[in-house]
Amino acid sequence: QVQLQESGPGLVKPSQTLSLTCTVSGASISTNKYYCSWVRQYPGKGLEWIGDIDYIGNTFYSPSLKSRVGLSLDTSKNQFSLRVSSLTAADTAVYYCARFQAIRRNGVQRPDNWFDSWGQGTLVTVSS
Amino acid sequence: QSVLTQPPSVSGAPGQRVTISCTGSSFNIGAGYDVHWYQHLPGTAPKLLIFVNNNRPSGVPDRFFGSKSGTSASLAIAGLQAEDEADYYCQSYDISLSGSSVFGTGTKVTVL
Repeated sequence: QVQLQESGPGLVKPSQTLSLTCTVSGASISTNKYYCSWVRQYPGKGLEWIGDIDYIGNTFYSPSLKSRVGLSLDTSKNQFSLRVSSLTAADTAVYYCARFQAIRRNGVQRPDNWFDSWGQGTLVTVSS
Repeated sequence: QSVLTQPPSVSGAPGQRVTISCTGSSFNIGAGYDVHWYQHLPGTAPKLLIFVNNNRPSGVPDRFFGSKSGTSASLAIAGLQAEDEADYYCQSYDISLSGSSVFGTGTKVTVL
C-alpha cells in the first residue's frame, strides 16, 4: 500500500521561499501511471490544487501560483519536492502531497482524473 | 476561491440518508469533466471515496453513492453512521484560466 509523507519547515518568514519534500513508500514514482501532486488547505477549509509533475519531469501548475511555484523529482530517493517563493501570510496552509491518477480512459489522457492517495499534510505558517 | 460550491454542512441521525451537492458550471462539470469525492478527517490524509462520478474504490462501503447531472454532482450517504462524521470534498477539472484541478468548498457532515 502506497504511503506519502510530507516534510519541511513549519514556520517560514514572509518573502522567503518554502521547500517541502514528499517521500513515497510502497510504490515507485518512476511510472507513467501517476503524477506527483501538491494540494494545500487554507485555515478556512478550502482546498487548492498547486501543481503536478509527471515521471519525466513535465510540470503542470495552478495558473494563480505558476509564477511562484516549482516542482521537482528525485527518483533515486523516491521523493518529489515543492518550492513556493515570495511567501506571504496568505500562503499559510496545510500542504498535502498526493498521487494523481494518470491513466488513459478510453484511450484518452484526461485532465479530470483523481487523487488516489494523500499524505497526512504539514502545516506551514508564514509569519515574521 | 473554489469554483465548485457545496453546502457548508449537512446533518442526519444514525441510519438516515444525507446528500451533499456539488454545483459547478459550464467550465467544469457542465463541460463533461468527471467528479470525484473525498472524505477528510482533520489531521489525517484525505481519502478517495468516489471516482469518475459513481465508482467506489475497493474498501469503500456501498453506503456511499455518487452521481452527476448537468453542471452538478451529488454524494449520498445511506444508513448514516457515527464514523461518517467528517468533511467531504468534490473535485473536478476547470477549463477556465488555462485549466486546473479544482475542489469544492467542502461540507461538514454531522451525525446527530
